[in-house]
Amino acid sequence: GQQLNQSPQSMFIQEGEDVSMNCTSSSIFNTWLWYKQDPGEGPVLLIALYKAGELTSNGRLTAQFGITRKDSFLNISASIPSDVGIYFCAGPGYRSNFGNEKLTFGTGTRLTIIP
Amino acid sequence: EAGVTQFPSHSVIEKGQTVTLRCDPISGHDNLYWYRRVMGKEIKFLLHFVKESKQDESGMPNNRFLAERTGGTYSTLKVQPAELEDSGVYFCASRPGGGYGYTFGSGTRLTVV
Repeated sequence: GQQLNQSPQSMFIQEGEDVSMNCTSSSIFNTWLWYKQDPGEGPVLLIALYKAGELTSNGRLTAQFGITRKDSFLNISASIPSDVGIYFCAGPGYRSNFGNEKLTFGTGTRLTIIP
Repeated sequence: EAGVTQFPSHSVIEKGQTVTLRCDPISGHDNLYWYRRVMGKEIKFLLHFVKESKQDESGMPNNRFLAERTGGTYSTLKVQPAELEDSGVYFCASRPGGGYGYTFGSGTRLTVV
């Protein structure tokens, strides 16, 4: 089945540092999504990418849809304490289609900010 | 607008017992999904309802899991009998129409001991 390999698994950074994480797949995706899960909450959509090469920003977050359509990365600039959480990449699941937009998720990157 | 509500937030049960998880989607959202995250692994799709009909249940692990959505409103996911490997966080999500813009609930953390 489909698998999304996300790295790194965890990051320990100081406030103010920039963060970069990526996601790769053995198969082509036509949509890439980045979610964030705060402790005790469900995932929240941060950025959606729909076109190869697309670069999209949402505040301090920037995500890119890889040209090969098999990868995507997420950057966070000047991290702040509320950036703590787990970040997941996601794409259309196996046999996902219009009307059944199920998702395949990566294993997540846990971001911790060291005081 | 109220979000997606899941109950209970936590459940600890013994192996062999039965547990029922409940999800109340956002009012008017025809599409309801169940996902599960086992410790440290990816979030995995379980099934998808459109109103009261099961659109896709290809992710359900086995026949110990039963999902229902009577009347096309709230949904329940029953695990009977529970096994140790069923432990994890069960998420419900809903959306009104097409696209991947789900709203997830806060999840139910299930621990089977």
